[in-house]
Amino acid sequence: QKEVEQDPGPLSVPEGAIVSLNCTYSNSAFQYFMWYRQYSRKGPELLMYTYSSGNKEDGRFTAQVDKSSKYISLFIRDSQPSDSATYLCAMSAGNNNDMRFGAGTRLTVKP
Amino acid sequence: GAGVSQTPSNKVTEKGKYVELRCDPISGHTALYWYRQSLGQGPEFLIYFQGTGAADDSGLPNDRFFAVRPEGSVSTLKIQRTERGDSAVYLCASSLTGGAGELFFGEGSRLTVL
Repeated sequence: QKEVEQDPGPLSVPEGAIVSLNCTYSNSAFQYFMWYRQYSRKGPELLMYTYSSGNKEDGRFTAQVDKSSKYISLFIRDSQPSDSATYLCAMSAGNNNDMRFGAGTRLTVKP
Repeated sequence: GAGVSQTPSNKVTEKGKYVELRCDPISGHTALYWYRQSLGQGPEFLIYFQGTGAADDSGLPNDRFFAVRPEGSVSTLKIQRTERGDSAVYLCASSLTGGAGELFFGEGSRLTVL
């Protein structure tokens, strides 16, 4: 079993839809949870950063962490074609060198 | 520069050859990381530098892989006797410190071993 599991998709939605992306993990030491967005042939860029359990909202994006279930989610409201990318969840126990990434979910938002 | 710069962006080589991939991190970032990303997978940790020293090289797959950062800035990932299985995108990232914080990634070096 991988430390971080993420459905690779692909996921295709119409413009304006609400998108739900999620990851599960097995290492209870993880305390920092991140979502990175990666456009085709580009490096990942940080989208959301959360410490421990709870919700965090930034514009159209909401990140949720449920440590009791070892489950994290990213919600995208009013999705736009420019949101089409691969979304990678990532988590660490406290240092970047122990960060583990999910496989990434490829999202397409159709106009 | 403004971001993390990686060269070459693409490298095609033959099995058995030696390859060097270069990373120029964001100025002032003391921590530098190398990752490998295979098709359809997330980045996989290879090695972490804090300043000039390799603080964690536990992700290097075998002794054909080596990395240096002699002056605490630019880093070079070196792969000897390349194999077809080494084909992947090699990503470099830097951060202000080595603790949990934002990683700034370069666009990667796409290595193809024929």
